[in-house]
Order: sequence, then C-alpha cells, then structure tokens
Amino acid sequence: DAGITQSPRHKVTETGTPVTLRCHQTENHRYMYWYRQDPGHGLRLIHYSYGVKDTDKGEVSDGYSVSRSKTEDFLLTLESATSSQTSVYFCAIRASGEQFFGPGTRLTVL
Amino acid sequence: DQQVKQNSPSLSVQEGRISILNCDYTNSMFDYFLWYKKYPAEGPTFLISISSIKDKNEDGRFTVFLNKSAKHLSLHIVPSQPGDSAVYFCAASGLSIQGAQKLVFGQGTRLTINP
Repeated sequence: DAGITQSPRHKVTETGTPVTLRCHQTENHRYMYWYRQDPGHGLRLIHYSYGVKDTDKGEVSDGYSVSRSKTEDFLLTLESATSSQTSVYFCAIRASGEQFFGPGTRLTVL
Repeated sequence: DQQVKQNSPSLSVQEGRISILNCDYTNSMFDYFLWYKKYPAEGPTFLISISSIKDKNEDGRFTVFLNKSAKHLSLHIVPSQPGDSAVYFCAASGLSIQGAQKLVFGQGTRLTINP
C-alpha cells in the first residue's frame, strides 16, 4: 500500500461542466502522475509533477490542467468536460524506481 | 504511433502450467521496463521490472526476459495459479527531463487461468 487515495471514486457529470479530481499521498513522494485508462489504449500519461508547483505535460494533456500546491496533493482539472473524457483516471506516485497506483476514479461525462 | 505493443488481447492457460505474456516496443531510447497486473475496479499493481543492462530478472514465480536486439520482452509465470487471472500491462520508460520516468504502456493482455 503506497498510501494513495483518490477522490471521488465515481463521478457522473454533464458536458461543459468543470471537474476536479484529487490525488492524495501520505508518504512525501516527489513525483506524482495522472493517467487515464481506455479500452484498447492501456494507460496514457496526462500530466505529471516533479515537485510542489512543478508540473509538465504528458502524452494526452489537451483539455486537462493540474496543480500541486503541497507535496501530498495533486489535482487534475477538466475545465469543460467532454464526452471523450469519459474514462477511468489513475493517480500514481514514484517510489524506489517504480510507480504505484491509486484505486482510480471512474468519470462519466454525459 | 503505438510505441509499446501487446499483440495478444487475451491468453488462457491451465492451472499449474507456464503463462508467457509478450510485449514489443519500437523506441530504442527506452531503458527501463515494467510489468503491472490489474484486477477489475482496482489500480494496477507493480509486479516486476528490468533495466536495459540486464536480460533477465526473477522474483519468485515471475521472470521477465528482455531481448534488446529484437525490442521484445516477455513475462513468464510459473506455475500459473487461479489468482493470476487479471489484465497484465507492460510499460517502458527512457531518460526524461527532471528524472520523472514517463511510462508508456501497452494495451494489456487478459490472462485467464483455468482450473
């Protein structure tokens, strides 16, 4: 257990509304990541953070923004949700050379 | 452009036999490879990894083989157990800015172990 929690675990929202997903870690890890998982694509990196206020884009960053104002929290925001952002979102931390994942958030955009 | 590919969407193996899951990659800059296991409604769980300076790494029932010339890695599970039934993802990373380890995942292979 890498001490990672994600909230909410499930969310249904409507197209055009803003959505924020939260990732919380308890072990002071420097690196945090947001991925999305879709059928046929595996997991794809959205954004990552290498320290407080230090973030960068991943493979599929369009339509997403992130913030990290303290070590333990990494927020993923969909400014205006679209149906193509319906997915399962996983947060991860890096420890001992590997990444460890949270339980996921299932987001449905109607 | 799929840089990491798992060409078998599914695999069925009898309990007690060997399971072999395969993964191919195209980017020669990848230097670290990982396997994850995923059960439904849970996050992926790290299984085993291998650096490009090695060609084999073992951890209990799990062994990962890396063939750099063929850009191919495989995961062997011996003996296979019913609890091994899950989706398996391979992932790869190379040098990145800030040392951030940006993973690129394959599409996954669903392994089913039959009693």
